[in-house]
Amino acid sequence: EAQVTQNPRYLITVTGKKLTVTCSQNMNHEYMSWYRQDPGLGLRQIYYSMNVEVTDKGDVPEGYKVSRKEKRNFPLILESPSPNQTSLYFCASSFTGTALSSYNEQFFGPGTRLTVL
Amino acid sequence: RKEVEQDPGPFNVPEGATVAFNCTYSNSASQSFFWYRQDCRKEPKLLMSVYSSGNEDGRFTAQLNRASQYISLLIRDSKLSDSATYLCVVNQALYSSASKIIFGSGTRLSIRP
Repeated sequence: EAQVTQNPRYLITVTGKKLTVTCSQNMNHEYMSWYRQDPGLGLRQIYYSMNVEVTDKGDVPEGYKVSRKEKRNFPLILESPSPNQTSLYFCASSFTGTALSSYNEQFFGPGTRLTVL
Repeated sequence: RKEVEQDPGPFNVPEGATVAFNCTYSNSASQSFFWYRQDCRKEPKLLMSVYSSGNEDGRFTAQLNRASQYISLLIRDSKLSDSATYLCVVNQALYSSASKIIFGSGTRLSIRP
């Protein structure tokens, strides 16, 4: 089954404790990205990757890191989480990130609900 | 000003009604447009792409007006199962082959029996 998976789905942690949220897709997609969703603010892009070893900042990258060593995986790293990073996180992938392409439907993972105390 | 703006709603309409949402975007470099649907606490899923000539998929019709920089979604004969948040999505060309994908905050729709 074609899908995007994220782990963990739920996480409660404390300020300053490094954590990683994994994201994996099995559709051979080039483009992957991370979003956070907060009430009233909608989905905001954290980082995106056009392809392996190519990553770039989105709108809200502060406090996050990513890597794209393999095409299928795009982990999100919080080196020192803080309470303002409490949010619902979504990973997404698409065949390509090119604006003109009709192949840039975003497929989303099920989400990771993170609480930082 | 937000790059993509939507009326947050909520829109509360009776079953069978026709409802329409608009979404405006500020950057004329925007190239492709979509409507996504998000159910409560779930991931967004593509509802339909929006083409320049307008397009229809069953009870759903999407329109694009590049001159006024807005897109619309019309739902006819609404069903209880249409209750969800509808997200407007705009894809802007940046440089080379890169693009920026921007989500609106969403419009909540609630269909009552």
